[in-house]
Amino acid sequence: GAVVSQHPSWVICKSGTSVKIECRSLDFQATTMFWYRQFPKQSLMLMATSNEGSKATYEQGVEKDKFLINHASLTLSTLTVTSAHPEDSSFYICSARDFSSGKGDTQYFGPGTRLTVL
Amino acid sequence: GIQVEQSPPDLILQEGANSTLRCNFSDSVNNLQWFHQNPWGQLINLFYIPSGTKQNGRLSATTVATERYSLLYISSSQTTDSGVYFCSGGSNYKLTFGKGTLLTVNP
Repeated sequence: GAVVSQHPSWVICKSGTSVKIECRSLDFQATTMFWYRQFPKQSLMLMATSNEGSKATYEQGVEKDKFLINHASLTLSTLTVTSAHPEDSSFYICSARDFSSGKGDTQYFGPGTRLTVL
Repeated sequence: GIQVEQSPPDLILQEGANSTLRCNFSDSVNNLQWFHQNPWGQLINLFYIPSGTKQNGRLSATTVATERYSLLYISSSQTTDSGVYFCSGGSNYKLTFGKGTLLTVNP
């Protein structure tokens, strides 16, 4: 149980284009999902909190117009990197919060999406 | 915000050895998780452990909430245990991650 998927696994795009990444909780409903960014050999940094049916909450320093987040259902959140540039190249990881009975407040992570902007 | 310090940053073991990884928090946390990130980047949940002790096979974890630290024990290590181990925690539902411990287990 508690499986989170991401699509695509990797993407290469040209500078100036937009890229959409999907995050799905496969076997549980997630009212809250999170988007992280990880640079090579570094830790995960929280970018934003995605709440179903409401606007995302962005961490300080994250451009909300650059990283558009939509959480249209209890099992799907999307991250769109708009007008991507080489400095946006990174590993993007989503997680979904499972607060069901008996599990505590646990986050389960997707496999990540490696974005390369040429 | 909360600061998370992990030690050691790197650890090299021979297969079969035991190890202890430590995580210190700058402030109290009410959710704490340990993860293993495999070479492909997937974060695998190891423990949700805001307090107390848990065991799962060769792995166990202990969190002393009053002293703001957590320990992850790996016994009889195997080459497949290699990877980065992260602890994370927060005072709300958000998680702040440490910088991780890079574990290499040699055959």
